[in-house]
Amino acid sequence: GAVVSQHPSRVICKSGTSVKIECRSLDFQATTMFWYRQFPKQSLMLMATSNEGSKATYEQGVEKDKFLINHASLTLSTLTVTSAHPEDSSFYICSAKRRGLWSSYNSPLHFGNGTRLTVT
Amino acid sequence: SQQGEEDPQALSIQEGENATMNCSYKTSINNLQWYRQNSGRGLVHLILIRSNEREKHSGRLRVTLDTSKKSSSLLITASRAADTASYFCATDEEETSGSRLTFGEGTQLTVNP
Repeated sequence: GAVVSQHPSRVICKSGTSVKIECRSLDFQATTMFWYRQFPKQSLMLMATSNEGSKATYEQGVEKDKFLINHASLTLSTLTVTSAHPEDSSFYICSAKRRGLWSSYNSPLHFGNGTRLTVT
Repeated sequence: SQQGEEDPQALSIQEGENATMNCSYKTSINNLQWYRQNSGRGLVHLILIRSNEREKHSGRLRVTLDTSKKSSSLLITASRAADTASYFCATDEEETSGSRLTFGEGTQLTVNP
């Protein structure tokens, strides 16, 4: 159980276009989803925290107008990279926290398989 | 900011040997978690150790936590080629109380057959 599906796995787009990445929890409800960015051979950098039904909380330095996050339901969050530029090329990973565990701060995150974005 | 520091950054061993990775952190935590990432994939949760625990086992994995030194170690015993991956520690800080994890820089483990 606790499967997170992230789509697409790879996307190549032209500079100036927008790209939407979906993150779905398949067999559980996720109150909170997290979006990370990872450069080659580096760690995960948290971009934003997405709570169902409310606005996302962005980390310092992350442009909220460029990286639009929507968490419309307990099983779906989307990240839209608007007006993409080559420097936005990266590996984007979502994760989800399961709803309803008695001790939410002692529960692991469940990760999607990531999306490799290449902007040409 | 990434509070976790891991060492070594890279580790190369032979199949059958043990692999030890270390993680240090700076703030008070609720728990510390270890994750594995195969190249180009998402992260897979391995083990979670709470701040009041000192050691935890799961199969060939052994995790220790020393809150006085703010450090943790992950030991993989009898390693296999399939254990080749990046391993990250992540801390759930008291201050943010479950709302986010902070990941370390990771250790790239290569197990040679």
